[in-house]
Amino acid sequence: DTEVTQTPKHLVMGMTNKKSLKCEQHMGHRAMYWYKQKAKKPPELMFVYSYEKLSINESVPSRFSPECPNSSLLNLHLHALQPEDSALYLCASSQKTRTGLPGQFFGPGTRLTVL
Amino acid sequence: QKEVEQDPGPLSVPEGAIVSLNCTYSNSAFQYFMWYRQYSRKGPELLMYTYSSGNKEDGRFTAQVDKSSKYISLFIRDSQPSDSATYLCAMSEDQGGSEKLVFGKGTKLTVNP
Repeated sequence: DTEVTQTPKHLVMGMTNKKSLKCEQHMGHRAMYWYKQKAKKPPELMFVYSYEKLSINESVPSRFSPECPNSSLLNLHLHALQPEDSALYLCASSQKTRTGLPGQFFGPGTRLTVL
Repeated sequence: QKEVEQDPGPLSVPEGAIVSLNCTYSNSAFQYFMWYRQYSRKGPELLMYTYSSGNKEDGRFTAQVDKSSKYISLFIRDSQPSDSATYLCAMSEDQGGSEKLVFGKGTKLTVNP
């Protein structure tokens, strides 16, 4: 199984709503990532989890709150978002060991619209 | 100067053409070089990866890395309409663990039947 799954596929929320994005992988990868991608731009790194611990936070506003409940799951909790936060949110995972394959494997993304 | 430069195109070619996509970079510490393909409204898909300098071939795709020139290329032979997508180059310094990928801007390719 070489798949990263993400739910929901689409999400529309108001600026006062609280919602969560979910990501799952069963490849045994111990690093997981959240990216934000705006139209016609490359993915922009938000957070990195390594062995279920937050290792990188790219100065993301606190209205985005990541969580890694176990080695297969990654959540992104959203609260009080702004319209400019509308984007494709991508989850990715990668192997931890130096003998494993390089590169990150991406999910299909959640297309978020903030009204 | 950005760490990774990639011509955003767009690039339009007829079916069957050979396509050449390129990136240049400035960070000599990059060792792992990847190409991702992203279809419209989908997540990026890892197409090929190369460690250090050299060539790698996979079917119709060939990836080349020239570390001395800090230049990487992706060649697509016998291009098909299904190859129409945005191609992103990506690079990292380290393989293990929480690698930070540095992406190019992506090149949008259209292969016309």
